[in-house]
Amino acid sequence: AQTVTQSQPEMSVQEAETVTLSCTYDTSENNYYLFWYKQPPSRQMILVIRQEAYKQQNATENRFSVNFQKAAKSFSLKISDSQLGDTAMYFCAFNRGNDNTDKLIFGTGTRLQVFP
Amino acid sequence: NAGVTQTPKFQVLKTGQSMTLQCAQDMNHEYMSWYRQDPGMGLRLIHYSVGAGITDQGEVPNGYNVSRSTTEDFPLRLLSAAPSQTSVYFCASSPRRGAGNIQYFGAGTRLSVL
Repeated sequence: AQTVTQSQPEMSVQEAETVTLSCTYDTSENNYYLFWYKQPPSRQMILVIRQEAYKQQNATENRFSVNFQKAAKSFSLKISDSQLGDTAMYFCAFNRGNDNTDKLIFGTGTRLQVFP
Repeated sequence: NAGVTQTPKFQVLKTGQSMTLQCAQDMNHEYMSWYRQDPGMGLRLIHYSVGAGITDQGEVPNGYNVSRSTTEDFPLRLLSAAPSQTSVYFCASSPRRGAGNIQYFGAGTRLSVL
């Protein structure tokens, strides 16, 4: 069975600085997708970034980028130029491509606090 | 621009009561799912549907029923609520069948069972 591990329950960063959130996963499959979702205090889950396992290039979305290390089964999220609005819970999630469904397996989350 | 709408936002039940959490999406998405979020455990899949008339169990289905009579609606039923079902429930949808699609989440329902 696939598992997703986020080993940092809490992180903090100063505004304008860079922070990296860690995620590792366990799978024996070659075809899968990885996601980072953000959950601000409003509780709404919002997609941050998506990575296809068969693409070697790391995904980026503005200030958010990932370091996808397929052999190491690692999928970390880097937030550059942190802003107060980045304060949220961040969840790493895995989707098994061969399942042909959108079922997600989530990690336990990292709470990020951005302070002025 | 509604997206995924969940009702109610908050609910308190007594043990043994039944209720239905509503989920509706206006994006004509084929795939819909229900997750529960508990402290320290992330989100776990309860049930999912790949289209109208088709449902299947996720990781933690016990105590919950679902049906999908229309593309838009995917209600989650608790037949006899238990304190272990105290949680925040999220409904999500994605545009089509298959893997790797971006999912869109509702704002959640916070349920307390006393």
